[in-house]
Amino acid sequence: QVQLQQWGAGLLKPGETLSLTCAVYNGSFSGYYWSWVRLSPGKGLEWIGEIGHRGTTNYNPSLGTQIAISGDSSKNQFSLKLIYVTAADTGVYYCARVRPLSVGRPFDYWGQGTPVTVSS
Amino acid sequence: EIVMTQSPATLSVSPGERATLSCRASQSVNNNLVWYQQEPGQPPRLLVYGASTRAPGVPDRFSGSGSGTEFTLTISSVQSEDFAVYFCQQYDNWPPTYTFGQGTNLKIK
Repeated sequence: QVQLQQWGAGLLKPGETLSLTCAVYNGSFSGYYWSWVRLSPGKGLEWIGEIGHRGTTNYNPSLGTQIAISGDSSKNQFSLKLIYVTAADTGVYYCARVRPLSVGRPFDYWGQGTPVTVSS
Repeated sequence: EIVMTQSPATLSVSPGERATLSCRASQSVNNNLVWYQQEPGQPPRLLVYGASTRAPGVPDRFSGSGSGTEFTLTISSVQSEDFAVYFCQQYDNWPPTYTFGQGTNLKIK
């Protein structure tokens, strides 16, 4: 059974950088895309961005240059950095596996979620 | 940007009843439509992809239908464990983006 385990700091001040990492267990890193999704009270579920096993990245245009996603296939891990956070970035952040060959590119496995609060 | 609109926002049903949840896209997404179930404190769970294909392990009381802009998730006989929030999601391949609906909260009547 594929498992995604994520970790990172959950309390930030405005202007700081959010850093999260997700490790993939019991499954291949190659052949899939790996995404970050967040759930916030104001916006519901929002896709942040994704990385393929060869390093190709796609980001949510609404988040612009605030995001950077990187991956390390040797460790079966990928990471999210979100710079200059504000209160609007408060929410629960999830990592998830994308099935790129399935119609709709569903997220089939998810991490447990990391609650993130941005407050001064 | 494609906007996904779910209705109703809240649906109250009794166990054993049929539940019908709707998702509308602002423009055609063909059949690039996915449904998830989310319980409090848990990550979303994949139910249906490709508008109508059930994910492995999903009970057959869940069925998805539709194409283009109008989609439906039907639970034929709601069980106690089905009371949760349901999200639809579309994928657009240029530029690659995923968009979710705002969710339907299925509550016990």
